[in-house]
Amino acid sequence: DTAVSQTPKYLVTQMGNDKSIKCEQNLGHDTMYWYKQDSKKFLKIMFSYNNKELIINETVPNRFSPKSPDKAHLNLHINSLELGDSAVYFCASSQDGQGHQPQHFGDGTRLSIL
Amino acid sequence: AQSVTQLGSHVSVSEGALVLLRCNYSSSVPPYLFWYVQYPNQGLQLLLKYTTGATLVKGINGFEAEFKKSETSFHLTKPSAHMSDAAEYFCAVSNQAGTALIFGKGTTLSVSS
Repeated sequence: DTAVSQTPKYLVTQMGNDKSIKCEQNLGHDTMYWYKQDSKKFLKIMFSYNNKELIINETVPNRFSPKSPDKAHLNLHINSLELGDSAVYFCASSQDGQGHQPQHFGDGTRLSIL
Repeated sequence: AQSVTQLGSHVSVSEGALVLLRCNYSSSVPPYLFWYVQYPNQGLQLLLKYTTGATLVKGINGFEAEFKKSETSFHLTKPSAHMSDAAEYFCAVSNQAGTALIFGKGTTLSVSS
């Protein structure tokens, strides 16, 4: 069974469109995250949710909005896509939000903006 | 603020040779440190972690890392490289609040036969 699953795996779309990426974890974890990996493979935190509550929101444009319908899901909605949004987006989860438990990552969603 | 520096963006070794990937960290609190591996078109897989206790940490696939507080280092080693070890390796530290991981820029490991 996949622990952290993201859909879709690939997303190709045009500038200005709105798109969503879904993430689900079946580990029973309390905390979920979204990371962005750029073309140079640098990973940076975007959002962190603990028990459906936003606990960290790095300097991310407000075109990006996370939605957590329940503890097992954290979706990422992106409005008015721009060329610079092209990247790989990773969802992750951890047992708690204290930092000493490892994070489990999904396989990523590769977003390409035409 | 927490930060991670990985020395060497690319490391090349021969099959059977020692693997050494360097990681130095900066942390204003006792650090929680992690090494992750990323294979092409895949997510990150945890290799090992240091939170407290024993400073020599053993992980999966024969990797280990030693936490050295005096040197603020957490280098990753493997005695004998295998072709399947070729991948991207990331060192990470938990941020001060424990709410996210701060990653180094990664090291690409190449293994030749």
